[in-house]
Amino acid sequence: KNQVEQSPQSLIILEGKNCTLQCNYTVSPFSNLRWYKQDTGRGPVSLTIMTFSENTKSNGRYTATLDADTKQSSLHITASQLSDSASYICVKTRGAGSYQLTFGKGTKLSVIP
Amino acid sequence: NAGVTQTPKFRILKIGQSMTLQCAQDMNHNYMYWYRQDPGMGLKLIYYSVGAGITDKGEVPNGYNVSRSTTEDFPLRLELAAPSQTSVYFCASSYRASGRVTDTQYFGPGTRLTVL
Repeated sequence: KNQVEQSPQSLIILEGKNCTLQCNYTVSPFSNLRWYKQDTGRGPVSLTIMTFSENTKSNGRYTATLDADTKQSSLHITASQLSDSASYICVKTRGAGSYQLTFGKGTKLSVIP
Repeated sequence: NAGVTQTPKFRILKIGQSMTLQCAQDMNHNYMYWYRQDPGMGLKLIYYSVGAGITDKGEVPNGYNVSRSTTEDFPLRLELAAPSQTSVYFCASSYRASGRVTDTQYFGPGTRLTVL
C-alpha cells in the first residue's frame, strides 16, 4: 500500500478560481514533505518542501500546509491560470534523515477558460 | 546551464535487447537518482548515487544496473529488456549539504521506453 494517498484523482476548475488538493500519508516520522508539479510529458518540478516542524510554506500562488497530528497535507492554488493545468504530486521522505522519497499518484488538475 | 539532460527521448526495444539510458547534470550536484513512472502510478526509485563511485539500490532495482564514474554522469543500463520495463524513466539530481535533508531534486525531461 502506498504510504501517500492523494485526492481527488482529477479536478476541473474555471480559470481564476481557487482550489485545494489533499494528501494523506501514513508511517511517521519523516524528515520532509514535498509538492511537485508535473506538466504532461515533462519531469516533475519542485513547488514546496516542508520539514516535519513546519506547517505552511508558500511559493507564489501555491501554499502548502502540513498537519502532522492528522497526517495530512494540502496544496492550495490561488487565482488559477491555464498554465496551472498539470499533475500535482505529494511526496514524503521514507524516514527521518532519509533521501529516498515516496511519491503519491498525483492529482490531475485541468484549468479551463 | 542545461540542468539535467537525458537521452534518448524515446526508444523501442525488443525483448532481450539491452540499452543504456544516459543522464548528465551540469549543476555540480553530488546526489543523482533514477526513477521510473508507470501509467497512473507514483514514481519509484530504481538506483541512486551519493557521489562519484558510490551507488545503491532503491525500491525497484531488479533488471537494471548503474555506474557513476564522474560527478556529471549517471547512466542506467537495462540488460535483457522485458515488457515489464516499459515505462517513463526520469533522472534527477540534487545537492545535499552535510546534515541537511531538504535538498531540491531537479528532474530531467524523461525517456519513454517501450519493450515489445
